[in-house]
Amino acid sequence: GIQVEQSPPDLILQEGANSTLRCNFSDSVNNLQWFHQNPWGQLINLFYIPSGTKQNGRLSATTVATERYSLLYISSSQTTDSGVYFCAVALYTGTASKLTFGTGTRLQVTL
Amino acid sequence: NAGVTQTPKFQVLKTGQSMTLQCAQDMNHNSMYWYRQDPGMGLRLIYYSASEGTTDKGEVPNGYNVSRLNKREFSLRLESAAPSQTSVYFCASSERGDNRDFSSGANVLTFGAGSRLTVL
Repeated sequence: GIQVEQSPPDLILQEGANSTLRCNFSDSVNNLQWFHQNPWGQLINLFYIPSGTKQNGRLSATTVATERYSLLYISSSQTTDSGVYFCAVALYTGTASKLTFGTGTRLQVTL
Repeated sequence: NAGVTQTPKFQVLKTGQSMTLQCAQDMNHNSMYWYRQDPGMGLRLIYYSASEGTTDKGEVPNGYNVSRLNKREFSLRLESAAPSQTSVYFCASSERGDNRDFSSGANVLTFGAGSRLTVL
């Protein structure tokens, strides 16, 4: 199956700092999603980005499918950005997109 | 709009007991999924249902069964719980799981709040 590696595994930032999270994957994909898991465990989809670049407020993401990586940018970080960020990928096989998740980047934003 | 609702939120079982986790979505989604999350790991797919009337195994199906009761509901059953099944379980749904129009976002997953299961 597809292997997904996320880096860094842990990140501590001061409020207001910027950061870049990386997701590398081992094979071709046509479905890539970024999720944020807040400290209470809720998983929220941030981006559906199999290729190209998208922006949503202070967050943006870029996927370069041909080079098998995706980047999540967080600008002007806030304490509410704390939590775990997961990248998940899949290759459409004809029945369903079965996402494979990375092990996540744990982000802590301090005052 | 409740989204994806899971019950129960917490459960403690003894080894060998059985239980069913319930999941319902009100977004008229076709595809539904069950994942488990263990400490320090990402989520792993247990079973999925691409559409009403179909179910299929994911990465870690052993020890589980599922039922797609109707379009809204997808349940996960542990017939004889084992300590290795101690985990947080997440149900998710998507409009579709097989959309070839990859610009549409129909494959985006919406997750429930999770069910924390402890098997003693």
